Order: sequence, then structure tokens, then C-alpha cells
Amino acid sequence: SQQGEEDPQALSIQEGENATMNCSYKTSINNLQWYRQNSGRGLVHLILIRSNEREKHSGRLRVTLDTSKKSSSLLITASRAADTASYFCATDGGGSNYKLTFGKGTLLTVNP
Amino acid sequence: GAVVSQHPSRVICKSGTSVKIECRSLDFQATTMFWYRQFPKQSLMLMATSNEGSKATYEQGVEKDKFLINHASLTLSTLTVTSAHPEDSSFYICSARASDLGNYNEQFFGPGTRLTVL
Repeated sequence: SQQGEEDPQALSIQEGENATMNCSYKTSINNLQWYRQNSGRGLVHLILIRSNEREKHSGRLRVTLDTSKKSSSLLITASRAADTASYFCATDGGGSNYKLTFGKGTLLTVNP
Repeated sequence: GAVVSQHPSRVICKSGTSVKIECRSLDFQATTMFWYRQFPKQSLMLMATSNEGSKATYEQGVEKDKFLINHASLTLSTLTVTSAHPEDSSFYICSARASDLGNYNEQFFGPGTRLTVL
């Protein structure tokens, strides 16, 4: 089964607006991570939230985690054109193999 | 710190040839490296987990004889696509997990390798 299903699949907003992306998963996790990928490039780690945490902030990023609903959200405030990228959530089931399972991603377009 | 490089960044080859992709952790030791494949506008699919000094663990549906993985040192893993075919054309990304992080599982990703098989 596919862990980490994001929605929406695509989001287009104006610069200055906030962008919210959601991620749902199916099995228990040790932590959940959000990554960013510019077109044709590698992934950049944004933030990690552990299963016993509910909210975490980093700059303009705010991540929430609701383990009872098996869902997480990523909020980017005051978006900029440079935030245009694909955003993926990845779940870590906590196994000793440290495998991450990625969702399908949300393509965010921030229009200037 | 925590930089992962991949080489080459882009490769075009003829059908039937083999292609080797290198993944290096530049400033840390990585006991475990991961290889992913990403098709256009899709997510990353884990192909295999590469552990230094031991055989790689392949995900279901990934042919180990076609995608040869060698993790000879704590800073280098290689993926060789053998007898490549056009359907192997994809973006291959590696990641590395630092050895000294205990249970903390932050992975550092390489910039990816674009493989095109003609």
C-alpha cells in the first residue's frame, strides 16, 4: 500500500499567500518528514516531526501531525515565487532498516 | 555539511549497454545508502537499501541482477544498470544516512542522475 498520500496533487497560489499541503498515511510511524524537490533536482530535507510531537516550526514552515488521524500538514506562510517546487512527505516506520516511504507529492506553483 | 554527490548527473546510452552511477557522501560516513527511482511527475520509489560491507536489500519487484549495487566503503555506493533498455530511462536518486545519528533517520539526498536509454 502507498504510504504518504498528499493532497492536493497540485496547488497554484499568488505570492504572499499561504500554502497548505496535507499528507495521509496508513501504518504506524516513528516520524514523518517533509522534503522539497525543484524540477529535475534532488530532494532537500525541510523538517522532521516525531510521532510524539504535534506541531513543529521552522522559519516560514509549520508542520502538524495527528497520529490518531494518521495525517500531517505542511503550511508555508507568506509564499514566494522561489517556493515553487514539489513537496513530498515521507514516513519512517521505525524499522532498523530506516526505510522512508514517500507520498506522491504536491506540486506547488507560486505566481509572482 | 552532509553533502551527497552523484556522478554522472546525466547519461545517455545505447540499449544493451551497462551504466554505473556513483553515490558519495562527501563529509560524513554512511553505513546505509538508499537508491530510488523517479519517473516524470511521480514520487520516489525505493529500489534497494545498500549497507556497507554486505549485500543490498532489494524492494519487491526490483531485479537484483539488473540493478547491481555495491557499497564498498562508508562513503561510496554504486548502482549499475545492466543491459539497459529504454524502459530503464528514469531519474535515479541516492540518499545516505549518517552512521552516527543513532535512531535519528534524516537522510541526505544526492542531486540525482538522469538516465536516458536510446
